[in-house]
Parts: sequence; C-alpha cells; structure tokens
Amino acid sequence: SQQGEEDPQALSIQEGENATMNCSYKTSINNLQWYRQNSGRGLVHLILIRSNEREKHSGRLRVTLDTSKKSSSLLITASRAADTASYFCATAILLTDSWGKFQFGAGTQVVVTP
Amino acid sequence: EPEVTQTPSHQVTQMGQEVILRCVPISNHLYFYWYRQILGQKVEFLVSFYNNEISEKSEIFDDQFSVERPDGSNFTLKIRSTKLEDSAMYFCASSEGTSGTETQYFGPGTRLLVL
Repeated sequence: SQQGEEDPQALSIQEGENATMNCSYKTSINNLQWYRQNSGRGLVHLILIRSNEREKHSGRLRVTLDTSKKSSSLLITASRAADTASYFCATAILLTDSWGKFQFGAGTQVVVTP
Repeated sequence: EPEVTQTPSHQVTQMGQEVILRCVPISNHLYFYWYRQILGQKVEFLVSFYNNEISEKSEIFDDQFSVERPDGSNFTLKIRSTKLEDSAMYFCASSEGTSGTETQYFGPGTRLLVL
C-alpha cells in the first residue's frame, strides 16, 4: 500500500451520525495532517497532529495518531450535510534537518444525507 | 485572512502548446509547492520550492515542467509542450515554518484541459 492510504474509500451517513475514517502509512513521519476537499475545489487544512501527539481535537473533529501501528483516524461528530466532501490525510516526512515532504492519500469520500 | 490565489481558474489549450499557471502564495510564506489532481484521483506532489530553488520534485515533474518565482509575489508552473495526460487540476500551496512539513495552504486550483 502507498504512504497515506485512507480507509474506507467512501462513506455514506445520515446527518447527526459520526463519521470515522482511517489513514495508514508506511514510513516514520514528522506529522500527519487532514485536509478536506469539496467537489472541484481546493484543499482546506483541518488539523495537524505531530508524531509525539496521540490525540487532538478541533471543534467537531477528533484526530488520533498511533505511531506504533502507523495509523491515524479522523472522527467527525454530529455530521452535517455541509461535511459532505473528500477527506485526505497527508503525511509529512522530514528528509533533512530543514526539509521535508508531503504525501497525500487517495482520500475518503464522505456523503452526509439530511 | 491571507490566502493563496491562482490564475487562471480554467485553461483550455491544444496539445503541444505551452501553458503557464500562476500562483500568488501567502506573503510571509517561504515554501511553495505545486500539486496536480487528475479527475477523481489523488492529489499528487509535483515540486517544492524554497530559497529560489527546487527542493524536491516527483517523477511526474519531468523536463517539460519548470517553476519560477519571477518576482517577490508570483510563483509559476510552466508546461512547455502539453500532452493530453496533463489535463488535471493544478494546485499551488505555500507554507511557513522551518521545515516545509508544516501546514500547507492551498489555492483554489487551475483546471487545465488539453485537447
């Protein structure tokens, strides 16, 4: 599998339900970030979690990171129709002391129906 | 709130033509990137740029591609001789910080269609 693979590929839920998606990666990371992309639009940064952090919250978003399993999860609580989008994880890897790179996964397409 | 801007929003070109995609990163950012996303597929890294030079490039970024920061605000991606398979959404991003692994802020993208 590739660095930063999301699971599931697609998720359909009702408004008010929680949505959980996972991201697995292969190499050690500096941080992992989640982005949202509405159809045909640019990517919007949601949250960044560093390799020494295990959990982070931002509003209705909760991100966990398990470096031993090389995986992260994004939970959206009490979903709304406006949460309909594709969600991508991006792994950031330090290549040198001053430089790193990002790699995006294929994304999870979330559809929230009213 | 500062944002990354890109022009044009859409571009249609004939195969073999040169295109230049333009981006204005956030003004105090030091790291700049280009990504592309073929319809329905993942976001693919093309190139990163720091201190007026390419820091890293992917296999996609071959000799047909080049980047430039012609002045203090613009960051451009040039495709010299476009191919049908270059049709995609191209995103510019920028970040501050010291490592290039911090949050990247994306522009709205340029949709390129090569006929």
